[in-house]
Amino acid sequence: SQQGEEDPQALSIQEGENATMNCSYKTSINNLQWYRQNSGRGLVHLILIRSNEREKHSGRLRVTLDTSKKSSSLLITASRAADTASYFCATDGVRRGSTLGRLYFGRGTQLTVWP
Amino acid sequence: DARVTQTPRHKVTEMGQEVTMRCQPILGHNTVFWYRQTMMQGLELLAYFRNRAPLDDSGMPKDRFSAEMPDATLATLKIQPSEPRDSAVYFCASGLAKDRLVATNEKLFFGSGTQLSVL
Repeated sequence: SQQGEEDPQALSIQEGENATMNCSYKTSINNLQWYRQNSGRGLVHLILIRSNEREKHSGRLRVTLDTSKKSSSLLITASRAADTASYFCATDGVRRGSTLGRLYFGRGTQLTVWP
Repeated sequence: DARVTQTPRHKVTEMGQEVTMRCQPILGHNTVFWYRQTMMQGLELLAYFRNRAPLDDSGMPKDRFSAEMPDATLATLKIQPSEPRDSAVYFCASGLAKDRLVATNEKLFFGSGTQLSVL
């Protein structure tokens, strides 16, 4: 499977702490994206990092990409209770035998931030 | 704000019935994705359209599922006949792809999903 796999499956922290989630994938990618999903809602895009980028920031979010290790990490600094959600990585990879990209999601990390 | 609209939000039906889910992508987007989310399988890619043409529906059970884009403002996912194992949340997402090799150059916008329960 080309799917990205997030690690850990679940993460529980206190407000103010940092949360780090990791994503590993198997094939070459065009870009990697992180999404957030609140319970019962659709996914919301957080950040996109292209294969030629190594790090990207957006507010309290920091994403790194290591294409040699086929891995990415999402860091949320100074977490808040409102950050409680599931976080997914999505890889835009090239399917073997085809020139067209696909976007595959991992199973997600459930983050709980306690007040 | 531009958004992807999915209808219905909830659907309860009996096994064997036809189910049609609709999606209105964001105007100007040229890619549409259908995903199914379950606890066991996570988010599964069912079908993928670019410029209204189906590019990949290999994730979809062909005998009962069909996906179409009759026009640029409407994507449909049909299940006929439905089965209890089809119970899931079905998401539609749209985006913009500029390159042939890329699924999407920018972020995807997701609808709120259709919660399907087949009894």
